[in-house]
Amino acid sequence: GAVVSQHPSWVICKSGTSVKIECRSLDFQATTMFWYRQFPKQSLMLMATSNEGSKATYEQGVEKDKFLINHASLTLSTLTVTSAHPEDSSFYICSAPNSGRVSYEQYFGPGTRLTVT
Amino acid sequence: AQSVTQLDSQVPVFEEAPVELRCNYSSSVSVYLFWYVQYPNQGLQLLLKYLSGSTLVKGINGFEAEFNKSQTSFHLRKPSVHISDTAEYFCAVSEGITGRRALTFGSGTRLQVQP
Repeated sequence: GAVVSQHPSWVICKSGTSVKIECRSLDFQATTMFWYRQFPKQSLMLMATSNEGSKATYEQGVEKDKFLINHASLTLSTLTVTSAHPEDSSFYICSAPNSGRVSYEQYFGPGTRLTVT
Repeated sequence: AQSVTQLDSQVPVFEEAPVELRCNYSSSVSVYLFWYVQYPNQGLQLLLKYLSGSTLVKGINGFEAEFNKSQTSFHLRKPSVHISDTAEYFCAVSEGITGRRALTFGSGTRLQVQP
């Protein structure tokens, strides 16, 4: 089956610093990837849609200057949390549909737990 | 806009008993429906999906779900649960035929299987 990886799996950073999270599709190409955020004991909320070769589209209420998304290739999207604060501590999960197939399934990464101290 | 409602935040059940996790959705267009399971500190695993065809969908680990268009429901069932089924379960919906639309998730149901 299709595999999506995320790196790092967990990260602790100090308030005010920036953190980059990578999402890779390992065995398929993904022109689109999605970034979700999950706070403790809550559901997943879509943050943004990452589009290869073009700007990401952000959901209402998500600051695009704070959460920078770069979809540099057909297999890699990165999310950079800039000037992180404790309220940004969350579980970040990416997903991707297989662009090469007519598939309605999203393949999810294992998630990245971010803790901002 | 689409939305998903999971009516039960927690469902306690004894081992080997049957269970049903409820999911209702709303959408102005045709939808595709999914159930995912999440174990602590892990990502999501697809249990099953409804795209079209038979309204009774069978998934992994003995789970099944039935799509009811008139009631806009997609309830998840298992005839006999195991301790290992203890996890968070999310119902999700997507729209469109390309499959490239993001998922809208319900708030989740915590299934707690007791011995």
